[in-house]
Amino acid sequence: GAVVSQHPSWVICKSGTSVKIECRSLDFQATTMFWYRQFPKQSLMLMATSNEGSKATYEQGVEKDKFLINHASLTLSTLTVTSAHPEDSSFYICSAPRVGTDNNEQFFGPGTRLTVL
Amino acid sequence: GQNIDQPTEMTATEGAIVQINCTYQTSGFNGLFWYQQHAGEAPTFLSYNVLDGLEEKGRFSSFLSRSKGYSYLLLKELQMKDSASYLCAVSDSNYQLIWGAGTKLIIKP
Repeated sequence: GAVVSQHPSWVICKSGTSVKIECRSLDFQATTMFWYRQFPKQSLMLMATSNEGSKATYEQGVEKDKFLINHASLTLSTLTVTSAHPEDSSFYICSAPRVGTDNNEQFFGPGTRLTVL
Repeated sequence: GQNIDQPTEMTATEGAIVQINCTYQTSGFNGLFWYQQHAGEAPTFLSYNVLDGLEEKGRFSSFLSRSKGYSYLLLKELQMKDSASYLCAVSDSNYQLIWGAGTKLIIKP
């Protein structure tokens, strides 16, 4: 089946540093990828839609200068949390729909747990 | 606005049957998904409905009524490993997923 990977699985960083999270579709091409954030005991919240070859579309309330998204190829999207602060600590998950599937199913990466000290 | 409603928490007994309901109001409809999410893990796909009716897949079944904006996930022969959050999500007119807050299912022996 389709697989989406994320790297790293978890990261601990100091406040003020930047962290890059990679999302890869391993056996299909994804022109679109979605980035979600999930705080403890809360549902997934869509942060932005990553579009290959063009600018990402950010949801209301998400700072595009803080959460930099680059979708440089059909299999890779990256999310960079710039100048991270403790309130950015969360579970970040990417997903990618596989074009051509009957059900527009989105495949999720395993997630990245970010802890900012 | 767009809205997905599902109960916050449900409790059931091992071996029993439980039904998790989901109602939705969205701008357009391109299918409804159910996902299972264990704590600290990404969601995993359970089912997809785009036409009215019941879809059965092993111990799990999902039902959809588009006219009522309603779906349910039915879990049979409950096992302890079924303790998880169950997320209802609707694909809107732009094929973007609109997520419910999730239902935490607690299975007791």
